[in-house]
Amino acid sequence: GAVVSQHPSWVICKSGTSVKIECRSLDFQATTMFWYRQFPKQSLMLMATSNEGSKATYEQGVEKDKFLINHASLTLSTLTVTSAHPEDSSFYICSASSGQGTYEQYFGPGTRLTVT
Amino acid sequence: AQKITQTQPGMFVQEKEAVTLDCTYDTSDQSYGLFWYKQPSSGEMIFLIYQGSYDEQNATEGRYSLNFQKARKSANLVISASQLGDSAMYFCAMREGLGNFNKFYFGSGTKLNVKP
Repeated sequence: GAVVSQHPSWVICKSGTSVKIECRSLDFQATTMFWYRQFPKQSLMLMATSNEGSKATYEQGVEKDKFLINHASLTLSTLTVTSAHPEDSSFYICSASSGQGTYEQYFGPGTRLTVT
Repeated sequence: AQKITQTQPGMFVQEKEAVTLDCTYDTSDQSYGLFWYKQPSSGEMIFLIYQGSYDEQNATEGRYSLNFQKARKSANLVISASQLGDSAMYFCAMREGLGNFNKFYFGSGTKLNVKP
């Protein structure tokens, strides 16, 4: 159980375009979802936290207008990178928590974004 | 101050031997959770083991055990009988407090290489 999927697993887009990444909890309801960014050989950097039906809480330094997060249902959250630039190229990972037990976060497999 | 500190950027271990990965944490909360994740080169975050701050026994999950020393604020991961497939990045993480909105703090990670 506790499976989280991400789509797409990798994407290449041109500078100036927008790209949407989906994160789904497949077998549980995720009251909270988290979006992380990871640069090569570095740790995960939390970008934002979202609860279903409410606005996301962004970490300091993360541009809200550039990284749009929508948590429309208890099983789906989306991250849209708007007007992407090469510096947005990175590995994006989502996680989901059911709000029960240890409040463990279940991670998706990640999305590798390359902006050309 | 760093919430989670992993002081070993890289470690080598001989196959079939045991290895300890260090993790120290900083919190003033009485209730918190400590997690270890494995990240192979494919990128997915694999949950290994959890220790709650009120748990009196050290957590164990198969070949993984967590050496929890509360007074020292350390939560070292011990992998027994290392296998080649254990080669990966390992991240220690902490969730402060209780509640689904509580974010994780991640350490900088330790890259483990298992030698045949």
